[in-house]
Amino acid sequence: DQQVKQNSPSLSVQEGRISILNCDYTNSMFDYFLWYKKYPAEGPTFLISISSIKDKNEDGRFTVFLNKSAKHLSLHIVPSQPGDSAVYFCAASAVSSGTYKYIFGTGTRLKVLA
Amino acid sequence: DTGVSQNPRHKITKRGQNVTFRCDPISEHNRLYWYRQTLGQGPEFLTYFQNEAQLEKSRLLSDRFSAERPKGSFSTLEIQRTEQGDSAMYLCASSLVVAGKETQYFGPGTRLLVL
Repeated sequence: DQQVKQNSPSLSVQEGRISILNCDYTNSMFDYFLWYKKYPAEGPTFLISISSIKDKNEDGRFTVFLNKSAKHLSLHIVPSQPGDSAVYFCAASAVSSGTYKYIFGTGTRLKVLA
Repeated sequence: DTGVSQNPRHKITKRGQNVTFRCDPISEHNRLYWYRQTLGQGPEFLTYFQNEAQLEKSRLLSDRFSAERPKGSFSTLEIQRTEQGDSAMYLCASSLVVAGKETQYFGPGTRLLVL
């Protein structure tokens, strides 16, 4: 049972435009969400996180939006740069339940075209 | 570099052999996690330690897998009698809980190929 889903395996965006990556979850106990970026042959790199008490968190070009009622989160990258080309994973955990492990989605491969 | 390090980066072994991987976390981090990632999937949780105590194990962690963190610093993950299905990237992450918030930082991974 896939508790965290990234339904778009790939996305192509022109340099300078907005990239929007989506993630859906099924477990209502999840209360902490993160986005990681992964380049080939490297481990995932932390990008940005959001707690369930918020609906938006911004860090430079990266903004994460959380819609708890829809069990949906999204990552916006503005403006997109060629160096952003990577696989992006969303992850969730149920911290208030005492569970610290992350449940990851299957990833979305972003390609930013110059 | 003060990030999470993992050794070896690559391991090729024959079916039935034992392998051991090492993870050195960020020095002040008290939690250490092991994940496994196969092609086309996200990382899957295997087990985690708080200091030297192993607090949770996934059902993915069969009896052939054992993890230790003897002094609450580095950790090892051993796979006995490897099978071809064990071929994957094994990722280690460490974290520090601050004000109830925790972010896991990942190492580069060990890629295992079982022939």
